[in-house]
Amino acid sequence: KAGVTQTPRYLIKTRGQQVTLSCSPISGHRSVSWYQQTPGQGLQFLFEYFSETQRNKGNFPGRFSGRQFSNSRSEMNVSTLELGDSALYLCASSLAVGQGAYEQYFGPGTRLTVT
Amino acid sequence: AQSVTQLGSHVSVSEGALVLLRCNYSSSVPPYLFWYVQYPNQGLQLLLKYTTGATLVKGINGFEAEFKKSETSFHLTKPSAHMSDAAEYFCAVSDNSGNTPLVFGKGTRLSVIA
Repeated sequence: KAGVTQTPRYLIKTRGQQVTLSCSPISGHRSVSWYQQTPGQGLQFLFEYFSETQRNKGNFPGRFSGRQFSNSRSEMNVSTLELGDSALYLCASSLAVGQGAYEQYFGPGTRLTVT
Repeated sequence: AQSVTQLGSHVSVSEGALVLLRCNYSSSVPPYLFWYVQYPNQGLQLLLKYTTGATLVKGINGFEAEFKKSETSFHLTKPSAHMSDAAEYFCAVSDNSGNTPLVFGKGTRLSVIA
């Protein structure tokens, strides 16, 4: 069974631009969560989607948004990029909503660099 | 609200020595507790988790952790370190409904010296 895939793996953008990251969950998984990982702040939860609906949201500004499609694939978008948005963005999928109740399987991440 | 503190951002052990990575949590309700491992250029992988029942939890790769409510701790141990254990380890907590987002600690980087 294929794992969680994230595209692209690496991305370089300029301040003020916007970016879209993609995540394909494991087949049969309906929940997708997104995290931002930085050396200073560690792993921070962005949002969780289940059946195309956002079920939980972390404490991030409105520049960060996401969506989930009917095939469970998910995208996250960051508008008006800032230098501080440079991070590894991780996607995780699970069978159902509830990060504690269902094991999450993580993708390798997208490394975003903002210059 | 939950929080996690991992003591020591970097731990170094000799190959064959005991591995002990410390995690203390704060939670107003009974927690679910997790340990994840991250190898370079990879995502996180679940090592083990505690939800209810037996307080000593065994995971993959020979790791285990013990939930101690009185000490609000969930330390990760392995009797004998292997070179392949070198990675970053994250402790995480959720409430016992399992429906709140995981809250992660800052991580501990484990180095294994030959």
